[in-house]
Amino acid sequence: DAGVIQSPRHEVTEMGQEVTLRCKPISGHDYLFWYRQTMMRGLELLIYFNNNVPIDDSGMPEDRFSAKMPNASFSTLKIQPSEPRDSAVYFCASRLQGSGELFFGEGSRLTVL
Amino acid sequence: GEDVEQSLFLSVREGDSSVINCTYTDSSSTYLYWYKQEPGAGLQLLTYIFSNMDMKQDQRLTVLLNKKDKHLSLRIADTQTGDSAIYFCASARATNKLIFGTGTLLAVQP
Repeated sequence: DAGVIQSPRHEVTEMGQEVTLRCKPISGHDYLFWYRQTMMRGLELLIYFNNNVPIDDSGMPEDRFSAKMPNASFSTLKIQPSEPRDSAVYFCASRLQGSGELFFGEGSRLTVL
Repeated sequence: GEDVEQSLFLSVREGDSSVINCTYTDSSSTYLYWYKQEPGAGLQLLTYIFSNMDMKQDQRLTVLLNKKDKHLSLRIADTQTGDSAIYFCASARATNKLIFGTGTLLAVQP
């Protein structure tokens, strides 16, 4: 079975540009999570969805960040405008309700110059 | 708020056992996890344990949970060079919000 699929794997952009990260969860999973990993702050939960509905977005840093899940097989995390401090690896993860197993994608490494 | 702490570094010789320790603060944690991250890769779920369990064994991996002390450990038997990676401990309530530790870098010397 395919795991959680993220794109792009690497993104280099300039400050002020819009960045869109994409995620396809494991088929049938009804929870989707976006995490950010940096050296300074480790792994932080940004937002998570249940059945395509955002449940907790308290980890979203500021209004420049937005996330959507238009259907069960696709989610986006958008940063507009991007800033150098947004440079990090962004992970998407998914889980099936009733299961303790949370599966992560390979991550999207974002560099904002 | 909830917190998960781990030591930053552990070095062992190939063939020895490794023990990675973790403490957490949320007494309402339902699940406790161990993830492995190799350089440039995502997080690989190694194992997890329910909070009502004391121990879980899966091949070379043994997880011990002391709920009273909020202490979790991961023992890797017969450690191999391929086990070199960063190991993350995480706790979660039933609400799914995993709180991760800072990670322990395991270095296996041949």
